[in-house]
Amino acid sequence: RKEVEQDPGPFNVPEGATVAFNCTYSNSASQSFFWYRQDCRKEPKLLMSVYSSGNEDGRFTAQLNRASQYISLLIRDSKLSDSATYLCVVLWNYGQNFVFGPGTRLSVLP
Amino acid sequence: EPEVTQTPSHQVTQMGQEVILRCVPISNHLYFYWYRQILGQKVEFLVSFYNNEISEKSEIFDDQFSVERPDGSNFTLKIRSTKLEDSAMYFCASSADRERAFFGQGTRLTVV
Repeated sequence: RKEVEQDPGPFNVPEGATVAFNCTYSNSASQSFFWYRQDCRKEPKLLMSVYSSGNEDGRFTAQLNRASQYISLLIRDSKLSDSATYLCVVLWNYGQNFVFGPGTRLSVLP
Repeated sequence: EPEVTQTPSHQVTQMGQEVILRCVPISNHLYFYWYRQILGQKVEFLVSFYNNEISEKSEIFDDQFSVERPDGSNFTLKIRSTKLEDSAMYFCASSADRERAFFGQGTRLTVV
């Protein structure tokens, strides 16, 4: 069964905090991994791809552990505008299907 | 910046009616997808499409659903005989490389 699981949330953090999201996936043959963000009643928007060596984009750092089938997203110095639902997305079956996790909602408070 | 566009943004239909949701993928993309999201639930895969045929479909995508690429730009999702439980946000997505998918703003379908 194809499954992507995430921290249930919600996460309520003050501005400037560091917050980490976790994601696990069940299909060991998964090939590509992404973090998307989704604002309320909007479309998912690609935040970043996740590479095996880990990667960083400004305040955002993504890590992948293939052995543990685990993905993480770290947000440093969180801003009010970071408030959204963060979706872990896994690509399997050689690009036929992106599988979404249920999402973790983040609220950054002033 | 190129984007996926979907029309209409909101469609209200009576139970049992047919609806067609339209999508214009990003112009140089070759891989197309439909997803749906019932309010408060996760984004669910419906179907993927490449080279004028379905690549993969989920168990949700039964005989009630069909997809078509009628011309070089549009990609449509048809839902026949709509049911109340078809009410959801429907997202179209496209990809150039089967690696990163870009989503349209969605069509909110309300079946009454």
